[in-house]
Amino acid sequence: GNSVTQMEGPVTLSEEAFLTINCTYTATGYPSLFWYVQYPGEGLQLLLKATKADDKGSNKGFEATYRKETTSFHLEKGSVQVSDSAVYFCALSVYNTDKLIFGTGTRLQVFP
Amino acid sequence: DADVTQTPRNRITKTGKRIMLECSQTKGHDRMYWYRQDPGLGLRLIYYSFDVKDINKGEISDGYSVSRQAQAKFSLSLESAIPNQTALYFCATSTTRGLAVLGGTDTQYFGPGTRLTVL
Repeated sequence: GNSVTQMEGPVTLSEEAFLTINCTYTATGYPSLFWYVQYPGEGLQLLLKATKADDKGSNKGFEATYRKETTSFHLEKGSVQVSDSAVYFCALSVYNTDKLIFGTGTRLQVFP
Repeated sequence: DADVTQTPRNRITKTGKRIMLECSQTKGHDRMYWYRQDPGLGLRLIYYSFDVKDINKGEISDGYSVSRQAQAKFSLSLESAIPNQTALYFCATSTTRGLAVLGGTDTQYFGPGTRLTVL
């Protein structure tokens, strides 16, 4: 079946620290992979995506590389800011459909 | 103006009541979705619609029904609300236009959510 596993939070960091949020997946076929971000009181927004193996998605200083050999799509940022505090969701698309399978979300808290 | 809107944003109701949550979009997208979000469980798909006449059950459709009144409108109903339907509900849209030949999903665009509490 299709599933997404991401690290439990909360992840608590000081401003300018390095961020990694782990995400691994199981899937049939060739899924696209996504990171969505949910700021407090808001809906989900697409942060970045990758559609095939070895692709790197990047946006707002965040990046993630589609690793087929390790079935992973870890989210990284070199220097986090307080404004990055949010819940981050890893997701995959079920092959040849528009259905998304989400991980449980990881809350990031960044302190000054 | 927001591209995907949901009404109401907050609702408190009692067990057994009928509730309708509404979603409207101005993105011109053909596909629409309803999800619920529960702490520790992420988002789970309730129903999805690929077109006005194409409605499909998702992962957790029991206790819910939907109506696609027009391409831009997709409503979620709880015929007889129960407390374990207390959750945050999100509508989302996507489009098949412009997809690569090899397929794969397009980006989904989410509304701001409806917080529903069933007492």
